[in-house]
Amino acid sequence: NAGVTQTPKFQVLKTGQSMTLQCAQDMNHEYMSWYRQDPGMGLRLIHYSVGAGITDQGEVPNGYNVSRSTTEDFPLRLLSAAPSQTSVYFCASSYGGSSNQPQHFGDGTRLSIL
Amino acid sequence: GESVGLHLPTLSVQEGDNSIINCAYSNSASDYFIWYKQESGKGPQFIIDIRSNMDKRQGQRVTVLLNKTVKHLSLQIAATQPGDSAVYFCAPGAGSYQLTFGKGTKLSVIP
Repeated sequence: NAGVTQTPKFQVLKTGQSMTLQCAQDMNHEYMSWYRQDPGMGLRLIHYSVGAGITDQGEVPNGYNVSRSTTEDFPLRLLSAAPSQTSVYFCASSYGGSSNQPQHFGDGTRLSIL
Repeated sequence: GESVGLHLPTLSVQEGDNSIINCAYSNSASDYFIWYKQESGKGPQFIIDIRSNMDKRQGQRVTVLLNKTVKHLSLQIAATQPGDSAVYFCAPGAGSYQLTFGKGTKLSVIP
């Protein structure tokens, strides 16, 4: 059972480049979300989805886009990378709403923007 | 919005001793609470949860206590082992789709 799989594990980008962080889960979870984790800031919610075709903004959505075409996949897109987006990104999924079910996290993508 | 704080940002304990990690929350509407463990280079891992209709829940070597009156919960780890070294987060939920995570407490176990 793979759980939540994130790719790539590490990535270095130049300012202005675009890229997509991939997230896939095999638990048939309806809820998926993206967080960024910065030193001293804890986990902050970027975007989330309550089901295929439905997405919404979290606490820090600027500079990121998401889509949810299938239950399994929830990619995060950086359209024009900025140094402020250097962070560790975590994808998570849960059965039902996130606030009353434990979330399952991937192992993260470590992203550096030069 | 939810305010989540931790009383002790770092905690060092001797192997075999018990550990207590505290968490304060501000939203009185919070009705579900989760503790996560995050090891270096890994994503957060679910440890234990508790709903607001309970004040204590026990798992394997872990116990969570909830005091709704003072909006405080704690995670107790019995007979702490080196493998318990990690950062521990609490995450209160209040019926929305957004959990708020505290900054975490780093637990270091001294062999």
